[in-house]
Amino acid sequence: AQSVSQHNHHVILSEAASLELGCNYSYGGTVNLFWYVQYPGQHLQLLLKYFSGDPLVKGIKGFEAEFIKSKFSFNLRKPSVQWSDTAEYFCAVKAADNQGGKLIFGQGTELSVKP
Amino acid sequence: DTAVSQTPKYLVTQMGNDKSIKCEQNLGHDTMYWYKQDSKKFLKIMFSYNNKELIINETVPNRFSPKSPDKAHLNLHINSLELGDSAVYFCASRETDSYEQYFGPGTRLTVT
Repeated sequence: AQSVSQHNHHVILSEAASLELGCNYSYGGTVNLFWYVQYPGQHLQLLLKYFSGDPLVKGIKGFEAEFIKSKFSFNLRKPSVQWSDTAEYFCAVKAADNQGGKLIFGQGTELSVKP
Repeated sequence: DTAVSQTPKYLVTQMGNDKSIKCEQNLGHDTMYWYKQDSKKFLKIMFSYNNKELIINETVPNRFSPKSPDKAHLNLHINSLELGDSAVYFCASRETDSYEQYFGPGTRLTVT
């Protein structure tokens, strides 16, 4: 069965610090990978996604993620965080052959950025 | 111009009651989903419909029954509500080609 693990439950950073949130998945086949963000009191929004090609994908608001197939990882990065990045971040995986589009989510990482 | 909308936003009810949550999307997508987010913010898929047809039905108590009158609407009816049903329920819809899901604002259900 597929699963997604986000190792950091709560990350606290100061503004301008660099960010890396870990995401590992377990699935033997080809996957599609996503990072979603949930700002306080809001719905989930897509930050970025990986389907194929360049394993380094760039998303909105200066975020990027790197797919490392050998490590089953899809870590999210941002060189310099802002207070407005305070939110919950979810990694999700979909089996590439799953036509129904079923997403398996990690447990989320809460990011708090201090001004 | 809300893409995916849900009503109500908040729902407080007593154990044993029956309630419904409605979801509508104006994106023209064929596929819609219901997710449950528990108190630890863990998101889990419950159901998915494609063009009014059920395609994903996870291990969910049969007190939960989705209904899709047309491809733009996916409602969730819950019978005999229990304390453990308290959660935030998110509706989502999906672009067929990109598999990107668009989420609604969520419905916070509190069962007392």
